[in-house]
Amino acid sequence: EAQVTQNPRYLITVTGKKLTVTCSQNMNHEYMSWYRQDPGLGLRQIYYSMNVEVTDKGDVPEGYKVSRKEKRNFPLILESPSPNQTSLYFCASSLHFLPPDTQYFGPGTRLTVL
Amino acid sequence: QKEVEQNSGPLSVPEGAIASLNCTYSDRGSQSFFWYRQYSGKSPELIMFIYSNGDKEDGRFTAQLNKASQYVSLLIRDSQPSDSATYLCAVTTGGGNKLTFGTGTQLKVEL
Repeated sequence: EAQVTQNPRYLITVTGKKLTVTCSQNMNHEYMSWYRQDPGLGLRQIYYSMNVEVTDKGDVPEGYKVSRKEKRNFPLILESPSPNQTSLYFCASSLHFLPPDTQYFGPGTRLTVL
Repeated sequence: QKEVEQNSGPLSVPEGAIASLNCTYSDRGSQSFFWYRQYSGKSPELIMFIYSNGDKEDGRFTAQLNKASQYVSLLIRDSQPSDSATYLCAVTTGGGNKLTFGTGTQLKVEL
């Protein structure tokens, strides 16, 4: 089954404790992206990757890191999480950036930073 | 001014009616426009995209684009209770490699 998986789905952590949210797709997609979704602010792009070893900042990259060492994986790293990073995070992928290649979203990771 | 603006709603329509959702954007260089549907607690799913001025129809959905006025709209004909969701407008920005979303419009289709 074609899908984007994220782990963990739920995470409660404390300020300053490094964490990684994994994202994996099994569709051989070139484009992958991370978003955060907050009430009243909508979906905001954190980082995106056009292909392996090619990453770029989205609209809200501060406090986040990413890597794209292989095509299928695009982990999101929070080196020193803070409470303002409490949010719902989505990973997405598509064969290329624009349709008709549909962008598939993962199920989401709800992160709480205390 | 936000890059992509939508009325948050809720927009309530009776079953069988036409629901009209609107979106305006500020980047005149934007080339591609998308509508996503997001059910509560779920991830967004793409329902329509449009590149050219005018209308694009797909089943009960019609996307309308007017680049001169910088707005894009989504019409849902014969609205069903299953259409009740939040509809997100998204626009390519930053030279085309970034996707900027509006905050979404909540649609409620009432029996």
